[in-house]
Amino acid sequence: GAVVSQHPSWVICKSGTSVKIECRSLDFQATTMFWYRQFPKQSLMLMATSNEGSKATYEQGVEKDKFLINHASLTLSTLTVTSAHPEDSSFYICSAVPGPDTQYFGPGTRLTVL
Amino acid sequence: QKEVEQDPGPLSVPEGAIVSLNCTYSNSAFQYFMWYRQYSRKGPELLMYTYSSGNKEDGRFTAQVDKSSKYISLFIRDSQPSDSATYLCAMGGHSGGSNYKLTFGKGTLLTVNP
Repeated sequence: GAVVSQHPSWVICKSGTSVKIECRSLDFQATTMFWYRQFPKQSLMLMATSNEGSKATYEQGVEKDKFLINHASLTLSTLTVTSAHPEDSSFYICSAVPGPDTQYFGPGTRLTVL
Repeated sequence: QKEVEQDPGPLSVPEGAIVSLNCTYSNSAFQYFMWYRQYSRKGPELLMYTYSSGNKEDGRFTAQVDKSSKYISLFIRDSQPSDSATYLCAMGGHSGGSNYKLTFGKGTLLTVNP
């Protein structure tokens, strides 16, 4: 149980385009999902908290107009990187919360912006 | 002082060794404690979680929490090459209403040599 999927697993795009990443909880409902960013050999950096049916809460320093988050259902949250640039290239990981005590992570999405 | 401190390693051990991974924390509000394993270019995988001080065992893994010292450990017995990964400690707690956010250590890179 507690499986979280992400799609796509790897995406390459041109600078200036937008990319959408999906995060799904496959066998449980998640009112809360989190989006993280991870650079090579570094720990997870929380970007935002996604709550079903309400606006996402962004961490300090994260541009909400650049990283659009939609949590339209109890099993799906999406992260759209708008007008992507090479500095946005990173590993994006989501997690979903089935209860108050832990998070289950997706496999991650590698974004490369050319 | 950072909320969670974790020695980044790298740590290299021979196959069959007992591995000890540790984190210290400063926030006494943390109520639950987790260890995640992350293979390269993959999402973190939950290994252990616990609420209380003491030991919790699952197969070759033992999680230890000492709330009085604000110190947690993960022990791996009979380590295998497949255990080679980055190990992240994580902690969470409730502050007023629901708060599912976790605070992560930087991760310790472990290599188990055949």
